[in-house]
Amino acid sequence: QLQLQESGPGLVKPSETLSLTCTVSGGSISSSSYYWGWIRLPPGKGLEWIGNIYYSGSTYYSPSLKSRVTISVDTSKNQFSLKLNSVTAADTAVYYCARAPDGDSYYSWFDPWGQGTLVSVSS
Amino acid sequence: QSALTQPASVSGSPGQSITISCTGTSSDVGDYTYVSWYQQHPGEAPKLLIYDVTNRPSGVSNRFSGSKSGNTASLTISGLQAEDEADYYCGSYRSDSTVVFGGGTKLTVL
Repeated sequence: QLQLQESGPGLVKPSETLSLTCTVSGGSISSSSYYWGWIRLPPGKGLEWIGNIYYSGSTYYSPSLKSRVTISVDTSKNQFSLKLNSVTAADTAVYYCARAPDGDSYYSWFDPWGQGTLVSVSS
Repeated sequence: QSALTQPASVSGSPGQSITISCTGTSSDVGDYTYVSWYQQHPGEAPKLLIYDVTNRPSGVSNRFSGSKSGNTASLTISGLQAEDEADYYCGSYRSDSTVVFGGGTKLTVL
């Protein structure tokens, strides 16, 4: 059964870079059938899509975050990563990684999800 | 990038049916059959309930169903149960090759 697990610092200072890694187990990140995505849930707000990556490195980003986001993939470690720079308190959220389908559904739905990791931005 | 519009809250009694709406635009919900729905209990990760407007993943109860009309998608939960109390989110593919979610709906089972 495919499982995803987020890891990274739980506290980041304002103006610094948030870095998270998602480790995939029970399946290969190099599968041509899937994309891999990052989604966040700010406190008291709704889900926000951050971006998706294909094993080849092709990426799609949220327009509102595109200038600050980089998503990368390491197929040798079966991991993909998120970097968000110049963070502010507004970036405080639970960050999830998840798998999305390739093909007809345009990576539009996510299953399964990691358990999520809370990242707080504070000095 | 505006989120899809959902009601902040809905409620229903056990055994009843409820419907949660998700309103987008002709650039997302209205133009594509790529609408999904998620259930999230407190402290847990979201769980996929519906994809591609009407499809249920294996293991999801047939009490959950999806539909779409114009720019509005809907999730219907029939035979409401106490365990259905949770937050529900819709999502959609958008014409600029991005994905957008709704603001979420809190379902209370009375």
